[in-house]
Amino acid sequence: EIVMTQSPATLSVSPGERATLSCRASQSVSTKLAWYQQKPGQAPRLLIYGASTRATGIPVRFSGSGSGTEFTLTISSLQSEDFAVYYCQQYNNWPPITFGQGTRLEIK
Amino acid sequence: QITLKESGPTLVKPTQTLTLTCTFSGFSLSTSGVTVGWIRQPPGKALEWLALVYWDDDKRYNPSLKSRLTITKDTSKNRVILALTRVDPVDTATYYCVHTNYHDSGTSFDYWGQGTLVTVSS
Repeated sequence: EIVMTQSPATLSVSPGERATLSCRASQSVSTKLAWYQQKPGQAPRLLIYGASTRATGIPVRFSGSGSGTEFTLTISSLQSEDFAVYYCQQYNNWPPITFGQGTRLEIK
Repeated sequence: QITLKESGPTLVKPTQTLTLTCTFSGFSLSTSGVTVGWIRQPPGKALEWLALVYWDDDKRYNPSLKSRLTITKDTSKNRVILALTRVDPVDTATYYCVHTNYHDSGTSFDYWGQGTLVTVSS
C-alpha cells in the first residue's frame, strides 16, 4: 500500500498571501496524484488531477506540481473561501487508492 | 448535470450488515470509462477509499475491507449499492458516493454525493 504523507498538518497564512502544501508518496506514483478541498460539513471537491491539471471550474490561483514522490499544491493569493482542509490522493498503484491525512489551512 | 445522493440507515447495530444506496443522475453507468465508488470519512479523520464498480461491471475493493464489502450496480435504475457486513463502531463514518471517468481524469473523483453519516452503536 502506498502511504501518502502531507505536511504541514496545519498551515496558518494571511489572506492575499501564498500557501504551499506538500504531499509525499512512499513510492513513486508518477503523476497520478489528485488534490481535494474540503470545507466543514461539505463533501470534498476535486481541485487538481494528474498532478497539475485543474479540474473544471477551479480558479487559476490553484496550481499543482510534482511527479514521482513529491508534490505541491500552491494557492497563489489566498481568498477567504480557500481556508479549508486539503487532501492528496494517489491512483497510480492500487488497490487501495490512498489519501493523505490532510492539511488544515487556517487564517493567520 | 451530474448528481449523486446516498441513502440508507443512520444507525446500525454491531455485527449487522450496512447497506447503502447511491442514486445518481446526469450520466450512464454503461458509458465506457464511467465508474462509481464509495469513500468514507470517520468523524474528524481522513478519507478512506472503499470500492469501485466500472461501467463493464468490473469491481475493485480496498484489500483491508474486501472480505466484508460488496458493490453492485443497477444500470437501469441508475443506482449503485454498497454492502458492508459485520459492522463495528469503527465503521462509524460519513459515507460518500463518488463518480469518475478515467478517460477524463484518471481515477480521481470529480463528483461527490453530499454524504450520509452512519453510526454503529448498540
